[in-house]
Amino acid sequence: NAGVMQNPRHLVRRRGQEARLRCSPMKGHSHVYWYRQLPEEGLKFMVYLQKENIIDESGMPKERFSAEFPKEGPSILRIQQVVRGDSAAYFCASSPLYNSYEQYFGPGTRLTVT
Amino acid sequence: DAKTTQPPSMDCAEGRAANLPCNHSTISGNEYVYWYRQIHSQGPQYIIHGLKNNETNEMASLIITEDRKSSTLILPHATLRDTAVYYCIVIEAGSWGKFQFGAGTQVVVTP
Repeated sequence: NAGVMQNPRHLVRRRGQEARLRCSPMKGHSHVYWYRQLPEEGLKFMVYLQKENIIDESGMPKERFSAEFPKEGPSILRIQQVVRGDSAAYFCASSPLYNSYEQYFGPGTRLTVT
Repeated sequence: DAKTTQPPSMDCAEGRAANLPCNHSTISGNEYVYWYRQIHSQGPQYIIHGLKNNETNEMASLIITEDRKSSTLILPHATLRDTAVYYCIVIEAGSWGKFQFGAGTQVVVTP
């Protein structure tokens, strides 16, 4: 049973470009969470999605960031017009049940903005 | 969510038990204690969780004091692969599983 997959593992973007981060949850999991880890800091919750629904996006920056989890395919975290402060590790986690707190994390995508 | 306080770092000898403390003095009755760890550059890994009773699984044991204001994660026989940052998180039931990771405890297991 494959774990949570994230790609790309490393992404370099110039300021002003768009970044698309993908997350494929574990098989059978329909709940996805995105977290961001800035250098030397702990993970911060960004958004919680179920298939075709955003359940809680209270941790998402108000501008430039969006997330989706379509009926088919991976969850996507999209960052428009990236700035240097967006450089971080972005982790995706999935869980099988509504409100399940046992989350399985992917290996992360390390975004570097130059 | 209640705040947690953990020591920033601790060392442990390989083969010995590692006891990781966590204070959560403002925890409320419907809040769980969760432990995750993050090995360098990897995603966090779930370890164990509890509400009131002590818990044990194949990875660790969780001891929660009777007043629930503190807890201890026990790794019974630490190995070098247990070197990681360990996070103690208190989370309210019904809060969508949105964990807020603090600074955690950097545990270094030495030969």
